[in-house]
Amino acid sequence: AQSVAQPEDQVNVAEGNPLTVKCTYSVSGNPYLFWYVQYPNRGLQFLLKYITGDNLVKGSYGFEAEFNKSQTSFHLKKPSALVSDSALYFCAAHSGAGSYQLTFGKGTKLSVIP
Amino acid sequence: DTEVTQTPKHLVMGMTNKKSLKCEQHMGHRAMYWYKQKAKKPPELMFVYSYEKLSINESVPSRFSPECPNSSLLNLHLHALQPEDSALYLCASRPQLRGDYNEQFFGPGTRLTVL
Repeated sequence: AQSVAQPEDQVNVAEGNPLTVKCTYSVSGNPYLFWYVQYPNRGLQFLLKYITGDNLVKGSYGFEAEFNKSQTSFHLKKPSALVSDSALYFCAAHSGAGSYQLTFGKGTKLSVIP
Repeated sequence: DTEVTQTPKHLVMGMTNKKSLKCEQHMGHRAMYWYKQKAKKPPELMFVYSYEKLSINESVPSRFSPECPNSSLLNLHLHALQPEDSALYLCASRPQLRGDYNEQFFGPGTRLTVL
């Protein structure tokens, strides 16, 4: 069975400071990892994904994520947080080409304080 | 066109009503999904269609009935729902069910309230 863990329910950061939202995973086979963002009463928007290759993945809105195989982590980062980044962030995983299901973490609420 | 649309945006229904949710995409995706999402929780998979055929039913109660009339359209028919079924219902699509590494594209959701 595969699982995705987001250890923090909430992350608070001051505007302009760097932010990190943590994610660890447990999958059999090669992991395919995704970050989604959800604004209130909206659907999920795709931010970025790791499939293979460079461990540092760049995505939308200035976000990036670092894949670390030894630590089984895929933390989301941004160098300078904006108030508009405040939202609910989900890390998710497929366990390979044969997998149909996206396994989600529980979500982390990011609050950027002006 | 790279979006998934859902109608209606909001729906209020009584426990004896019959209603339907609609999802549409024109990206040529052949896998389409229904999810249920409670507040501040991750989406829960309900149904998956692949090439207009139901592939996955995650033990969803029969009061929810999915339908995929063509490759662009996905419906969710609702009947005799319970108040605990109130949630945000999300539709998503992906190029293929298996064998590709593409992300799922999500619609904006339908906020359902059952009275």
